[in-house]
Amino acid sequence: DAKTTQPPSMDCAEGRAANLPCNHSTISGNEYVYWYRQIHSQGPQYIIHGLKNNETNEMASLIITEDRKSSTLILPHATLRDTAVYYCIVDERGGSEKLVFGKGMKLTVNP
Amino acid sequence: ETGVTQTPRHLVMGMTNKKSLKCEQHLGHNAMYWYKQSAKKPLELMFVYSLEERVENNSVPSRFSPECPNSSHLFLHLHTLQPEDSALYLCASSQELAYGYTFGSGTRLTVV
Repeated sequence: DAKTTQPPSMDCAEGRAANLPCNHSTISGNEYVYWYRQIHSQGPQYIIHGLKNNETNEMASLIITEDRKSSTLILPHATLRDTAVYYCIVDERGGSEKLVFGKGMKLTVNP
Repeated sequence: ETGVTQTPRHLVMGMTNKKSLKCEQHLGHNAMYWYKQSAKKPLELMFVYSLEERVENNSVPSRFSPECPNSSHLFLHLHTLQPEDSALYLCASSQELAYGYTFGSGTRLTVV
């Protein structure tokens, strides 16, 4: 079973920041937070992951609360191509043999 | 292209046919995975291979038979499938288990 909770959908205006929330209240100390996204009928794409500290890469920023029970994925300037299903996953890095995908959250970026 | 190539992209097969899905990666990864994604359902893990050995088999029916001849190639052999097996079949690879998966574009399978 997925260990995370995400809203089923969210809309965002093109050019604005998209803040995608995720709750993972049962996360354990050695579990990482991963984000993937899946554009329609394509394979999921890795976005970013983190353990405790906030992380940033060329695609997005990941903000993890101090108690690690929730996180937010930030797309700083959303484009139409960011329309996708976004998956928030928690798992041990290298300690588990599978990533379990939940239902994810559908982000629609509107012009 | 993500570095993980799946062929064919689309496949239509009858219930009595035998076909194979192919996955190839040249990322130097040592783990490979098969996932199934049915319409409006989450991805379901089917098989996991680490260093060419199967380490996970999530109660998948025997009409699906995986093969991993080397660390770069993964196959899914299909025989006597059912219409409910129609789905998007996704292959993924990673350098170490459960870290930074790279997915292929998938094979859209239709069983008629």
